[in-house]
Amino acid sequence: GENVEQHPSTLSVQEGDSAVIKCTYSDSASNYFPWYKQELGKRPQLIIDIRSNVGEKKDQRIAVTLNKTAKHFSLHITETQPEDSAVYFCAASRAGGGADGLTFGKGTHLIIQP
Amino acid sequence: EAQVTQNPRYLITVTGKKLTVTCSQNMNHEYMSWYRQDPGLGLRQIYYSMNVEVTDKGDVPEGYKVSRKEKRNFPLILESPSPNQTSLYFCASTVLGGGNSPLHFGNGTRLTVT
Repeated sequence: GENVEQHPSTLSVQEGDSAVIKCTYSDSASNYFPWYKQELGKRPQLIIDIRSNVGEKKDQRIAVTLNKTAKHFSLHITETQPEDSAVYFCAASRAGGGADGLTFGKGTHLIIQP
Repeated sequence: EAQVTQNPRYLITVTGKKLTVTCSQNMNHEYMSWYRQDPGLGLRQIYYSMNVEVTDKGDVPEGYKVSRKEKRNFPLILESPSPNQTSLYFCASTVLGGGNSPLHFGNGTRLTVT
């Protein structure tokens, strides 16, 4: 089955700096890669996703890049703000395209220092 | 409002006392799933269901049961809870087989087994 590795487990950055979280996956057939954000005490929520026919996707201050050859994808947050503090999960779909077959990474706790 | 509703939010019980955590969604989703979240281990899938009367084991099914008698409901049953099942549990749902629907999570159930 699919295995998703996520690094780092904790990331502390100064407010205004950029943050990068990296994930690798094992199943070359996976082709859907979402990122979920979980604020303290709340449910995980989708913030951005990418499919394997696209190399990069941006939404305001967040972007995701995908390298299918190397089987890794990354989340980039620019101009970090206090509200970016949360746990971020990457995931890969083993079902061939949808959220119904996701395997999650173990999460990255992002801390934004004032 | 489209949502996944879990109950209860908090539950404290003793070893061996059977309990059920309910989950209901109002989005007519075929796919429903249960996850447990533990520090450092991320979101691990317990069971999932692709439709009524169709359930399958996830990565950590031992000690749990589920049922899917109706499309909207997917209860999680712990027949004989043990302390190692103390965790934060999330129910989630989405459409089956791809598309643009993310995984919708409930608010979570924090279970403590003493």
